[in-house]
Amino acid sequence: SQKIEQNSEALNIQEGKTATLTCNYTNYSPAYLQWYRQDPGRGPVFLLLIRENEKEKRKERLKVTFDTTLKQSLFHITASQPADSATYLCALDDNSNTGKLIFGQGTTLQVKP
Amino acid sequence: NAGVTQTPKFQVLKTGQSMTLQCAQDMNHEYMSWYRQDPGMGLRLIHYSVGAGITDQGEVPNGYNVSRSTTEDFPLRLLSAAPSQTSVYFCASSDRGRNRYGYTFGSGTRLTVV
Repeated sequence: SQKIEQNSEALNIQEGKTATLTCNYTNYSPAYLQWYRQDPGRGPVFLLLIRENEKEKRKERLKVTFDTTLKQSLFHITASQPADSATYLCALDDNSNTGKLIFGQGTTLQVKP
Repeated sequence: NAGVTQTPKFQVLKTGQSMTLQCAQDMNHEYMSWYRQDPGMGLRLIHYSVGAGITDQGEVPNGYNVSRSTTEDFPLRLLSAAPSQTSVYFCASSDRGRNRYGYTFGSGTRLTVV
């Protein structure tokens, strides 16, 4: 069956370090993958999108990689700050050209000062 | 631009009652979706629409109906509420031609069924 997995355990890191979050998927062939940030009590907010033919995408302190052979995406936050503390969700389209997105369960990041 | 507006923000229903969760967007987006979010389960797709008059089922459609009579509105109807439908519901929209820019989410409706 189709599955998207993110590390369910919270990631705790020290301010200034690089946070790396993982998204693995099985039985999908997505055209693109997206990352969202969600704060408690709020809706998800779009951060980055990477297409299947792109290896890496950057936006300010954020970097996303996409390995379609490993079926994995890595999400990096460099020089992390306490304000980066949130839950991060990855989402795949199902390549049906309907815009339908399937989400992972999210990983909570806690950045300590 | 208001973005995606969901109403109400909070709702308590009794088992068996029906209600409609409202969702409206003012960005002329063609794609709209409804998700529910439960602890440890992530966001699960209930129903989605690729344009006015076109809807389809997602991963967990049972007990819910949708319609899309206009581009702007995508209401979600609970036919006969059950405690298992206690959840946080999110509506989201995206531009079809530019879906590469991601979905815009509403602030959610927290529903409790007793």
